[in-house]
Amino acid sequence: KAGVTQTPRYLIKTRGQQVTLSCSPISGHRSVSWYQQTPGQGLQFLFEYFSETQRNKGNFPGRFSGRQFSNSRSEMNVSTLELGDSALYLCASSLLRQGTYGYTFGSGTRLTVV
Amino acid sequence: KQEVTQIPAALSVPEGENLVLNCSFTDSAIYNLQWFRQDPGKGLTSLLLIQSSQREQTSGRLNASLDKSSGRSTLYIAASQPGDSATYLCAVKKEWWGGSEKLVFGKGTKLTVNP
Repeated sequence: KAGVTQTPRYLIKTRGQQVTLSCSPISGHRSVSWYQQTPGQGLQFLFEYFSETQRNKGNFPGRFSGRQFSNSRSEMNVSTLELGDSALYLCASSLLRQGTYGYTFGSGTRLTVV
Repeated sequence: KQEVTQIPAALSVPEGENLVLNCSFTDSAIYNLQWFRQDPGKGLTSLLLIQSSQREQTSGRLNASLDKSSGRSTLYIAASQPGDSATYLCAVKKEWWGGSEKLVFGKGTKLTVNP
């Protein structure tokens, strides 16, 4: 059974550019969540999608957005990149919205903004 | 607002030692609690999931306990090995009333097991 797949694994972007990250959840999982991990702030919740709808959003500026497709794959977009956006971005999938069976995380996308 | 604290932030032990990692949370209205392991530069690997109605879960050399009323969980690692070296993260899920679907994480405990 394939796990959560995140692409690409590494990205280097210039300040002001935009970036799109992709996440394919475990087959059958319809809930996809995104987290940002930095050394200073730890893991912070970005947003959660279920059935192609954003259900919950963390405290991040509007430059961070996402979407979910009918096959449950999700993309996250960051526009007008800032140096502080450098982080490990992690995607998690869950069978049920309430997380009864826990969450499975991908390997992450390491974004470096220069 | 739920806050999760993990103590200690770092721990170094000799191989073979039994050890306990601590996690505390401020809001006892949790749905479940999940322990993860993270190797440097990698994603999170789920270790144990404890539902709010459970007291403990075991997997191999790992045992996690939950005391919801006091807002505490512990992860016990028996007979530690160098391969156990990693950062261990505790995450709580709020009771689900159709509201928050997020996990709230602690900052983690960085474990080093010396050969």
